[in-house]
Amino acid sequence: GQNIDQPTEMTATEGAIVQINCTYQTSGFNGLFWYQQHAGEAPTFLSYNVLDGLEEKGRFSSFLSRSKGYSYLLLKELQMKDSASYLCAVRVRRALTFGSGTRLQVQP
Amino acid sequence: GAVVSQHPSRVICKSGTSVKIECRSLDFQATTMFWYRQFPKQSLMLMATSNEGSKATYEQGVEKDKFLINHASLTLSTLTVTSAHPEDSSFYICSARGEGQISSYEQYFGPGTRLTVT
Repeated sequence: GQNIDQPTEMTATEGAIVQINCTYQTSGFNGLFWYQQHAGEAPTFLSYNVLDGLEEKGRFSSFLSRSKGYSYLLLKELQMKDSASYLCAVRVRRALTFGSGTRLQVQP
Repeated sequence: GAVVSQHPSRVICKSGTSVKIECRSLDFQATTMFWYRQFPKQSLMLMATSNEGSKATYEQGVEKDKFLINHASLTLSTLTVTSAHPEDSSFYICSARGEGQISSYEQYFGPGTRLTVT
């Protein structure tokens, strides 16, 4: 079976840094994705990790440790528009299995 | 970049009727398409995986006779919700993947279809 855990909600301040954690237990692993989703919209791709380590992409970074079944998404210089749900997804073979998502609220 | 469209974006139907949702890859050939369902404040749940020209593979707990999936061409997949009931009201999202695409995106998501059954 597949099990992906993320915190349900987080709150952070504009301009700050926030880290959203994701732990997973899956039967097989072929990459980990982070998506951003605003209410009522489809997910948009943020990052992809298949090897251990940190991937940096502008204000967003994602880290993966395969041995620990652990990833985090780091958002820097938070903006109000970053208020959204952040979905961690693990690819097993071709399909993606999504975590329940973390709703991030950025406050002024 | 790769674009996936869905139609309609919103649909309201009466209980007992059937609704068809289309998913199209606009600028690439999608050998595999995925259908997801998302209830309010919940994450995406994979319903089925369809490969062009073959039968869809349904996830456990998804009724294949209720959710008919057709992937007749490399650019179009359809999901038909048959005999819809209010509990089928949800956000349905498709994604598509093409052969030979090695980009980290791997799947390209459509904008979703909001189904409301009254």
